[in-house]
Amino acid sequence: DAGVIQSPRHEVTEMGQEVTLRCKPISGHNSLFWYRQTMMRGLELLIYFNNNVPIDDSGMPEDRFSAKMPNASFSTLKIQPSEPRDSAVYFCASSSGTLSSYEQYFGPGTRLTVT
Amino acid sequence: AQSVAQPEDQVNVAEGNPLTVKCTYSVSGNPYLFWYVQYPNRGLQFLLKYITGDNLVKGSYGFEAEFNKSQTSFHLKKPSALVSDSALYFCAVSFASGGSYIPTFGRGTSLIVHP
Repeated sequence: DAGVIQSPRHEVTEMGQEVTLRCKPISGHNSLFWYRQTMMRGLELLIYFNNNVPIDDSGMPEDRFSAKMPNASFSTLKIQPSEPRDSAVYFCASSSGTLSSYEQYFGPGTRLTVT
Repeated sequence: AQSVAQPEDQVNVAEGNPLTVKCTYSVSGNPYLFWYVQYPNRGLQFLLKYITGDNLVKGSYGFEAEFNKSQTSFHLKKPSALVSDSALYFCAVSFASGGSYIPTFGRGTSLIVHP
């Protein structure tokens, strides 16, 4: 299995531009998570999908952030417009069930730099 | 509400010596507990989990963790540290049966193994 795939691995953009991050979960997994990691805040959960449906988006920092999961094999996280404080590493993770006992499998991350 | 604490930002140990990375948790019900490792410029990688049963859990790369209900702890251990174990380690906790499906992650502990 290829694991969780994220693209791009690195993104550098100017303030005000739209940024789209992409994720392909592990085949057969039905839960998908988007996280953001910074030195100051650590690992933050942004949004969680189960069976392609957003379950909890309380971690999305503001309306500039949006996420979609149009099918079981693809999800996007969009930031529009981007701001320098959005600079972080964004991780996608998937797991095989809704129960709390299932471990998550993380992608390699997208390092976003907004100048 | 569930929470997890990793009281040490950094742990230093000499190669060949035993290592312990500490984790304490707070949940109102029975916990599911996890350890993840993050190598530089990589996503988090699942190491081991406690769901039920034997309090001593064995995981990848020779790591193990001991669930202690009375002390609400789940410390990560390894009998003999390797330089290649140097990484960032995260503890996570979620509820059993009816609680949050989403694990809460600690802030992480940086493990440095000296040659």
